[in-house]
Amino acid sequence: GIQVEQSPPDLILQEGANSTLRCNFSDSVNNLQWFHQNPWGQLINLFYIPSGTKQNGRLSATTVATERYSLLYISSSQTTDSGVYFCAATDPNTGNQFYFGTGTSLTVIP
Amino acid sequence: KAGVTQTPRYLIKTRGQQVTLSCSPISGHRSVSWYQQTPGQGLQFLFEYFSETQRNKGNFPGRFSGRQFSNSRSEMNVSTLELGDSALYLCASSSWTGIYNEQFFGPGTRLTVL
Repeated sequence: GIQVEQSPPDLILQEGANSTLRCNFSDSVNNLQWFHQNPWGQLINLFYIPSGTKQNGRLSATTVATERYSLLYISSSQTTDSGVYFCAATDPNTGNQFYFGTGTSLTVIP
Repeated sequence: KAGVTQTPRYLIKTRGQQVTLSCSPISGHRSVSWYQQTPGQGLQFLFEYFSETQRNKGNFPGRFSGRQFSNSRSEMNVSTLELGDSALYLCASSSWTGIYNEQFFGPGTRLTVL
């Protein structure tokens, strides 16, 4: 299966700072998504972004499929942004199975 | 549209017992996948059902099984529970159009095995 590497594993930011989270894939993927896991464990959809760039408020994401990576940008971070961020994607050869990264744990301090 | 629902939300069992978890996908979604999340192993794929057929299976022992009903609701069963089965179990639904395949997760069932 596909290997997914996320970096950094941990990130501590002052409120108002910007950050970039990265996801690298070992092979071609499709259906790439970014999630934020809330304190109760639910994975909240941030972006469905198999390629290109999308923006949603203070968050934006870019996927360069040919180079097998995706980036999540968080601008003007707020304490409510704290939590774990995951990227995941499917392998074109194995259907709907998601391969997850190990996550980036973000802590935003006031 | 209502989101993905999972029941129960919390469950405490003892070793050797069995457990059944339920997942109702988003209306119109025919694909349901199950994942196990533990601190040590992260998020791992269990299996996927589409139109009542298991389409894909992860690397878990046969104690883990599932099924999907004609209304797309899915259940997973774990028999002969072990301490290591304590985890958050998440299900995801998608419409699986073949090209666009965004997946949506439920709130999870947190299983504790004593």
